[in-house]
Amino acid sequence: DAKTTQPNSMESNEEEPVHLPCNHSTISGTDYIHWYRQLPSQGPEYVIHGLTSNVNNRMASLAIAEDRKSSTLILHRATLRDAAVYYCIPYFGNEKLTFGTGTRLTIIP
Amino acid sequence: DSGVTQTPKHLITATGQRVTLRCSPRSGDLSVYWYQQSLDQGLQFLIQYYNGEERAKGNILERFSAQQFPDLHSELNLSSLELGDSALYFCASSVGQGGNQPQHFGDGTRLSIL
Repeated sequence: DAKTTQPNSMESNEEEPVHLPCNHSTISGTDYIHWYRQLPSQGPEYVIHGLTSNVNNRMASLAIAEDRKSSTLILHRATLRDAAVYYCIPYFGNEKLTFGTGTRLTIIP
Repeated sequence: DSGVTQTPKHLITATGQRVTLRCSPRSGDLSVYWYQQSLDQGLQFLIQYYNGEERAKGNILERFSAQQFPDLHSELNLSSLELGDSALYFCASSVGQGGNQPQHFGDGTRLSIL
């Protein structure tokens, strides 16, 4: 499994953009980069994924470095509901997800 | 709503007992995964089934077993329960093909052993 490194915690003000970094320098060429988040008392929730190019969906954007050794999850306008633990996970598909410790994001009203 | 249904939401039982956790995957998903989340271990993969067949095993104890039925729902059986088995148990499902298919998680079953 590729090793990932994320900050333990981050804080952001409500309604401001948030950039959550992740290093995955040992990622294999076939792994996608998936991001999940876990809100308090809920199961993990899929956020976004990508392979090489940047991706956008209704929840977030994903910026992937050209060498694929790092990525950044971007929440364009944080709300209180975005307070969660965020996990980046290199993932090929139809196999287990290996969760690290993730980044605990706190949103300040 | 992820489309994955887990029952029961809460389970309280005693040491030495046996329980069954149930998971209904999203419609069309062939793969089912079970994960355990405890305070000291984080989210740990237990076992995966794909279209009724066991596909992968993780850190699953011998006291635990699972199966996936023809209608694709899955059950996780935990026996000879110990205090340390208290945890959140999550089920996830995915289509089962391709690297770009995410897993979708249920809300979990909280198991408390007294």
